Amino acid sequence: EVQLVESGGGLVQPGASLKLSCVASGFTFSDYWMSWVRQTPGKTMEWIGDIKYDGSYTNYAPSLKNRFTISRDNAKSTLYLQMSNVRSEDTATYYCTRDKVGADYWGQGVMVTVSS
Amino acid sequence: DIVMTQGVLPNPVPSGESASITCRSSKSLVYKDGKTYLNWFLQRPGQSPQLLTYWMSTRASGVSDRFSGSGSGTYFTLKISRVRAEDAGVYYCQQVREYPLTFGSGTKLEIK
Repeated sequence: EVQLVESGGGLVQPGASLKLSCVASGFTFSDYWMSWVRQTPGKTMEWIGDIKYDGSYTNYAPSLKNRFTISRDNAKSTLYLQMSNVRSEDTATYYCTRDKVGADYWGQGVMVTVSS
Repeated sequence: DIVMTQGVLPNPVPSGESASITCRSSKSLVYKDGKTYLNWFLQRPGQSPQLLTYWMSTRASGVSDRFSGSGSGTYFTLKISRVRAEDAGVYYCQQVREYPLTFGSGTKLEIK
């Protein structure tokens, strides 16, 4: 059974950094592109970026490229999202997804709240 | 960026009836391979989104044949036949034609 389990969220102060993790199981992690998507409290869905199966290439939403970094450790079947200089508008539920012809599996999501 | 615009449903939809959800893109989603790079997702209350269709009209694994996607290069429809209570939620379209990938704002389906 394919599973994606995100962790690392919580309450964080504006300007701080945070690293989210997503542990994958039930499939060969190194065969798939992976992505991060976030959903705001108002339910707006925003694609953050993706990473090639071997970690050699990434794409980002232009508005987030300078603050967010996606990486992966195929030996640990883990996807990461490094967030820096977070702002109140980064408050959202963050999902990792497995990408085939579309985001065919999603994690349960992890909440990040940016507030002082 | 490609802007995705979704329509609104006249809720609630009676159980057993059909519902059509629309989505429009600001640019053609047809790629040079002839495929249309449009996905549909359903997010049920309290759950993560679920992929319904990709390449505009191909159902994802395990998705009921009551769901059918259609459209042109810039105008798309997801039709749900014989709606059931389990179909309630918010439907999102997403273009994967070019980066950055973008979603529509969502269309809520309520069942009566």
